[in-house]
Amino acid sequence: DGGITQSPKYLFRKEGQNVTLSCEQNLNHDAMYWYRQDPGQGLRLIYYSQIVNDFQKGDIAEGYSVSREKKESFPLTVTSAQKNPTAFYLCASSNNRGPYEQYFGPGTRLTVT
Amino acid sequence: RKEVEQDPGPFNVPEGATVAFNCTYSNSASQSFFWYRQDCRKEPKLLMSVYSSGNEDGRFTAQLNRASQYISLLIRDSKLSDSATYLCVVNMKRNRDDKIIFGKGTRLHILP
Repeated sequence: DGGITQSPKYLFRKEGQNVTLSCEQNLNHDAMYWYRQDPGQGLRLIYYSQIVNDFQKGDIAEGYSVSREKKESFPLTVTSAQKNPTAFYLCASSNNRGPYEQYFGPGTRLTVT
Repeated sequence: RKEVEQDPGPFNVPEGATVAFNCTYSNSASQSFFWYRQDCRKEPKLLMSVYSSGNEDGRFTAQLNRASQYISLLIRDSKLSDSATYLCVVNMKRNRDDKIIFGKGTRLHILP
């Protein structure tokens, strides 16, 4: 089965701790994305990567970091510098040859207290 | 003007009715357009791409109006299971880079 997996589904952390969210895809997509969604809000882009070993900041990158060492994997670290980390985090992937439909993983719901 | 704008709703529609909603976009150089469906506390799922000639998939019809810069989604014979938030997505060129913009979504409630 081809798809995108994210783990864990629910994650609880204490304030001040860094936490890493996993995202893996076996769709052979070049591009991968991280979004954040808050209640009643649209998706906001955190980071994206068009190719292995390269990534760019999205609209709300502060307090987050990523790596793209493998085509299949794009982990997101939520650092203690992120002021409001509690949110629903969605990972997506797409090919780079247009029309760029994105396919999403099931998401990780992070709660920081 | 926002880059992608949708009426947030909610649209409360009786089962079996036809419902339509639009999404406007600001960048005339936008190239690709999509409708996604998102159920409560779930990930968005691609519903359909929107082509210049319009396209239909069963009860769903999507259309693009480049002159007025909007896309539309029409749902015929609505079912209870159509209740969801519908997200408009636009891929636009910005300084030679592609940028994908998500609308905030239109909530649809199908009433029994």
